[in-house]
Amino acid sequence: QKEVEQNSGPLSVPEGAIASLNCTYSDRGSQSFFWYRQYSGKSPELIMSIYSNGDKEDGRFTAQLNKASQYVSLLIRDSQPSDSATYLCAVNGVTGNQFYFGTGTSLTVIP
Amino acid sequence: GAGVSQSPRYKVAKRGQDVALRCDPISGHVSLFWYQQALGQGPEFLTYFQNEAQLDKSGLPSDRFFAERPEGSVSTLKIQRTQQEDSAVYLCASSPQQRSSNQPQHFGDGTRLSIL
Repeated sequence: QKEVEQNSGPLSVPEGAIASLNCTYSDRGSQSFFWYRQYSGKSPELIMSIYSNGDKEDGRFTAQLNKASQYVSLLIRDSQPSDSATYLCAVNGVTGNQFYFGTGTSLTVIP
Repeated sequence: GAGVSQSPRYKVAKRGQDVALRCDPISGHVSLFWYQQALGQGPEFLTYFQNEAQLDKSGLPSDRFFAERPEGSVSTLKIQRTQQEDSAVYLCASSPQQRSSNQPQHFGDGTRLSIL
């Protein structure tokens, strides 16, 4: 079992819709959770970080964390074509110095 | 520039050659990470430095892989006797402080390594 699991997609949503991206992790000791966006041929860029249970909102993005279920999600409201990218979920490892990434979910926003 | 800089952007080598990949982290960043990203996969952790100390190298896939950061700033990832399975994008990331578990990492654009 991989440390971090994501549905690889592809996920397609129409422009203006809500995109929902999901991630589960195996290490109950994980404390820090991150969502990165990666455009093709580019490096990952940080979208959201979340450390405690509940929701965290930043503009059109909302991260949700449920440590009991070992589940973290990212909602993108009012999706735009420029949101089309691969979204990577990252979770810190037991030592705190390792970060485990999922394989990423490919999102396409259709104009 | 203000970001993480990696060079070269692209490297093509013949199987069996040695390669060296360079990472310039954001100035003053204490923590530095190397990742390997295969096509269609997420980044896989290779190694972690806190200043010049290599605190975790558990992700290095074999003893052909070696990383150093002698002065606590620039880091080099060296791969000896390259194999075709080493073909991937190698990403470097840095973060500001030594307790890195709750800090996001800032990534460079990566080096795309192709082994023929």
